[in-house]
Amino acid sequence: DTEVTQTPKHLVMGMTNKKSLKCEQHMGHRAMYWYKQKAKKPPELMFVYSYEKLSINESVPSRFSPECPNSSLLNLHLHALQPEDSALYLCASSQVGWGGDTQYFGPGTRLTVL
Amino acid sequence: GDSVTQMEGPVTLSEEAFLTINCTYTATGYPSLFWYVQYPGEGLQLLLKATKADDKGSNKGFEATYRKETTSFHLEKGSVQVSDSAVYFCALSTTGGGNKLTFGTGTQLKVEL
Repeated sequence: DTEVTQTPKHLVMGMTNKKSLKCEQHMGHRAMYWYKQKAKKPPELMFVYSYEKLSINESVPSRFSPECPNSSLLNLHLHALQPEDSALYLCASSQVGWGGDTQYFGPGTRLTVL
Repeated sequence: GDSVTQMEGPVTLSEEAFLTINCTYTATGYPSLFWYVQYPGEGLQLLLKATKADDKGSNKGFEATYRKETTSFHLEKGSVQVSDSAVYFCALSTTGGGNKLTFGTGTQLKVEL
């Protein structure tokens, strides 16, 4: 089973709201990732967690706050977002987070910021 | 730095036609290579991968061979179907890169009856 689940599927929020995206995998993977994808573009890496520790932050604004409570779960907390943050947010996981490791993606959360 | 170059789309084909989507790469290390597919409104699905030179990845009738001498990983399928209509991303990751995936720009494929 190579399933990564994400909730919610769609989210509409105002610029003053606080919301969270959730990602879960039960494949025993120890690396998890957040990506942002704008229309007609490839995904852009935001954060990488390896063994529940943040290992990569691609200079993401602080209005995005990741959290990895355990090895199966990854959250992305959103606060004071801008309309330009509207995008598809994808979660992925891989076995250990070493180069060459295959990443498996979830279906994404489509976020609209009003 | 690492980079992936894919052919520009959209590519429009008739059903049962032969498909080639070109992908070339530049990498400082020894990369693993991937093809991902994204159907409309969905996330990315791993289509196939290859981890060393001359490896051939294959899945669902799609194939790609890791060619180190030409730094290429072209995607091919002998007979496309309407259901293959999607965006295809070529990507690489290297051992020194913290498993960061470097994606190409994506190629949209449209298959018509």
